[in-house]
Amino acid sequence: GDSVTQTEGPVTLSEGTSLTVNCSYETKQYPTLFWYVQYPGEGPQLLFKVPKANEKGSNRGFEATYNKEATSFHLQKASVQESDSAVYYCALTHVNTGNYKYVFGAGTRLKVIA
Amino acid sequence: GALVYQYPRRTICKSGTSMRMECQAVGFQATSVAWYRQSPQKTFELIALSTVNSAIKYEQNFTQEKFPISHPNLSFSSMTVLNAYLEDRGLYLCGARWTGGLETLYFGSGTRLTVL
Repeated sequence: GDSVTQTEGPVTLSEGTSLTVNCSYETKQYPTLFWYVQYPGEGPQLLFKVPKANEKGSNRGFEATYNKEATSFHLQKASVQESDSAVYYCALTHVNTGNYKYVFGAGTRLKVIA
Repeated sequence: GALVYQYPRRTICKSGTSMRMECQAVGFQATSVAWYRQSPQKTFELIALSTVNSAIKYEQNFTQEKFPISHPNLSFSSMTVLNAYLEDRGLYLCGARWTGGLETLYFGSGTRLTVL
């Protein structure tokens, strides 16, 4: 079946430093890829999605490129802020099958210290 | 914008009892609703995917007898945890998808279930 593997957390960074959270996926089909962010006490929020290979998604300074050859979708941010502290989830789904089953990674907890 | 509300936010029940949680979509038509359980041990576990006018599809290890789901219209879904035990503890998330939003799943804040 489909699977998503991402950087094991927690990740602790100082404000102003750069972030990379690795995400690799396995699937036999052509997925749409997502990054979700979850703050304490809240449900996951969509950060951005990328439906097509070789395209980049971005939001709030975060970005990731859909790399079909490497089956990767790594999340990056050049300069993190304390407010970025949250759990980040990489996910995939298949639109074309009509199944709409979403597969999530285990999540990466990010803590940014001032 | 697309919003999903879940209630109650938190609930406590005694072992062996049941509790019902609800999911309301506001501002869009929830053609599909996915119920997940989030726990420290198993992160996101998909319980079932419900699409209006289609049969509800339960994942392995989850059954209708244990987690009955209702999805009567395009704005509401509910799920009941029957005979709850310690292993049912966790944050239950409702994710709703709408036709206009294509593949994006919008989540509520979840219902946190504690079983005593």
